[in-house]
Amino acid sequence: SQTIHQWPATLVQPVGSPLSLECTVEGTSNPNLYWYRQAAGRGLQLLFYSVGIGQISSEVPQNLSASRPQDRQFILSSKKLLLSDSGFYLCAWTIGAAGANVLTFGAGSRLTVL
Amino acid sequence: AQSVTQLGSHVSVSEGALVLLRCNYSSSVPPYLFWYVQYPNQGLQLLLKYTSAATLVKGINGFEAEFKKSETSFHLTKPSAHMSDAAEYFCAVIWPSGGYQKVTFGIGTKLQVIP
Repeated sequence: SQTIHQWPATLVQPVGSPLSLECTVEGTSNPNLYWYRQAAGRGLQLLFYSVGIGQISSEVPQNLSASRPQDRQFILSSKKLLLSDSGFYLCAWTIGAAGANVLTFGAGSRLTVL
Repeated sequence: AQSVTQLGSHVSVSEGALVLLRCNYSSSVPPYLFWYVQYPNQGLQLLLKYTSAATLVKGINGFEAEFKKSETSFHLTKPSAHMSDAAEYFCAVIWPSGGYQKVTFGIGTKLQVIP
């Protein structure tokens, strides 16, 4: 069966420090991968999606970047964190374009920037 | 622009009472529709999905939702609330297109169940 892992689960970082959140999927090949951010009272915001290795699409301009060095690995990064980067980050995957296919989410990574 | 509206960011019901969480979407093109549930500090879990088969969709944990095209709605219901239903619920919509299909989420509704 397929599983999705995110780490770290929680992170407290000072403003201006770098960030690396990692997501891996097991039990499938060539998934579509997504990073969402959930801020209090603002629902889920799609940050990045990837349909293959090295292929990243950004939904909104921001202080973050994403990379996909391997088929089942998706990394969210920042060189210098801002206070506004605080939130709950969720990785998700589907097989193929997300039509009737269901998004399956990881457990999330909670980032607090101080 | 296509959007998803969840009426009521917070809903409180008594244990055993009917749960009704509202979701409306803006489009005349039948989309794919989903309800997800999120427990505190966890990821989202699929409750149910509508993909143009039966308009009444049954999901896990006794929840169901009815797709009403004329009302562009996909409200989530459960006949009798349980304490374990306390969570945040998200309606999500995908509008079919020829290319990449983006999921649009509602802002979420936090359900409180009062004993």
